[in-house]
Formats: sequence, structure tokens, C-alpha cells
Amino acid sequence: AQSVTQLGSHVSVSEGALVLLRCNYSSSVPPYLFWYVQYPNQGLQLLLKYTTGATLVKGINGFEAEFKKSETSFHLTKPSAHMSDAAEYFCAVSSMNTGFQKLVFGTGTRLLVSP
Amino acid sequence: DADVTQTPRNRITKTGKRIMLECSQTKGHDRMYWYRQDPGLGLRLIYYSFDVKDINKGEISDGYSVSRQAQAKFSLSLESAIPNQTALYFCATSDPSGGPYNEQFFGPGTRLTVL
Repeated sequence: AQSVTQLGSHVSVSEGALVLLRCNYSSSVPPYLFWYVQYPNQGLQLLLKYTTGATLVKGINGFEAEFKKSETSFHLTKPSAHMSDAAEYFCAVSSMNTGFQKLVFGTGTRLLVSP
Repeated sequence: DADVTQTPRNRITKTGKRIMLECSQTKGHDRMYWYRQDPGLGLRLIYYSFDVKDINKGEISDGYSVSRQAQAKFSLSLESAIPNQTALYFCATSDPSGGPYNEQFFGPGTRLTVL
């Protein structure tokens, strides 16, 4: 079965600092990996996704993630945090089962950004 | 206007009551999903639907039922609500054409409290 593990339920950074949110996956087949963001009182929206090809994936709002097969990781980074980045971030792995796309989410990491 | 809408946004009910959560979408997608979000557990799939005639159970369907009234409408019912069904509920949609790397589009969520 596929799964993802997000290390750290909360991450605190100062505005302008590097953001690093960790995600490790477990999959017996090449994984399709996603990062979603949930802003306060909103639904989830896609930040970026890895399918095949380039291992460094760029997403919206300056975020990027690097797929590292040897480390089974897909960590999310942003060089300089902004106050508006405060949100909850979910890593997810996708697979197909009888035509159905199954998304398995991690437990989420809440990013806190201080001035 | 939002592509995926959910009503109500907040609901407080009592143990044993029947309650219905509604989801509508204007994206024209065939696939629709209901998820439940609990703190520290991420999102878990309750039910999913390929189209009006095809509805399937997810990993935590006990205590829930659904109805797909039209391509654009997917309702979740709690026949007899219990306190451990207190959670944030999300509806999502997707286009089937992309397979495992499809983006799912989420509604804003319904916060349900069962007293």
C-alpha cells in the first residue's frame, strides 16, 4: 500500500527565511506525488505535482519540490517565506485502482510565519 | 463564482439527528469525492463517484451514505449523527482524463459539530 509521512505537524519560520517541509513516501511502483495547500477557511488547492521526468518541480507562489528516489522523499521548499504562506500543507501520493484515482494524504504540516 | 461549492459551511447538530451535506460543481467533471479531515489525521476518503450511476465506498464509509443527483451534485448524509463524526468535510472533483496525476479540486469545506 502506498503512504506518505510528513515530519513535523508544525513548522515555524521568520518572514524571509527558508521554508522546508518534509515528505517521505512509500510506494512499490513509481509514485505520483502532490503537494496541496490549505489556507484558513478554504479548501485544498494544488501547489505542485511530480509525475515523471524532471525531478525538480516548480509550483505556484515560489514553491518547489525535489523528487529523490534514493531517499524516497519529496520535500517542499521556498527560499524566502512570506506572511501569506501561513497555511497547512499536505503531501499526497496518487495511484489508480480500477479506473479510480486514489489520493493518500499525509497528516499535514502547519506552517507558521512570524514577522 | 467558486467552481466547487458546499452547503452549509458550518453546522451544529445533536446526536441521533439526520443531516445532509451538499456539494455542487460547475467544472463539468465526472468524478466527485467526499473526504473527512480530522486534526493530525489528514484527509480520508468516505465515498467517491465516477458518474451518476456509479458510487463506491472509500476507506471510512461506515455511518455515511451518499447520493449523486446529477453530474454536478453529490450529497453526503449522516443517517444518525454521532459525536465522533465531528470533523471538517470536503467535497472534491476531478477530470478522469489525466489518470493518476489528475488534480482534484476541493470545495471550501463544511465544519460539522455533533453534540
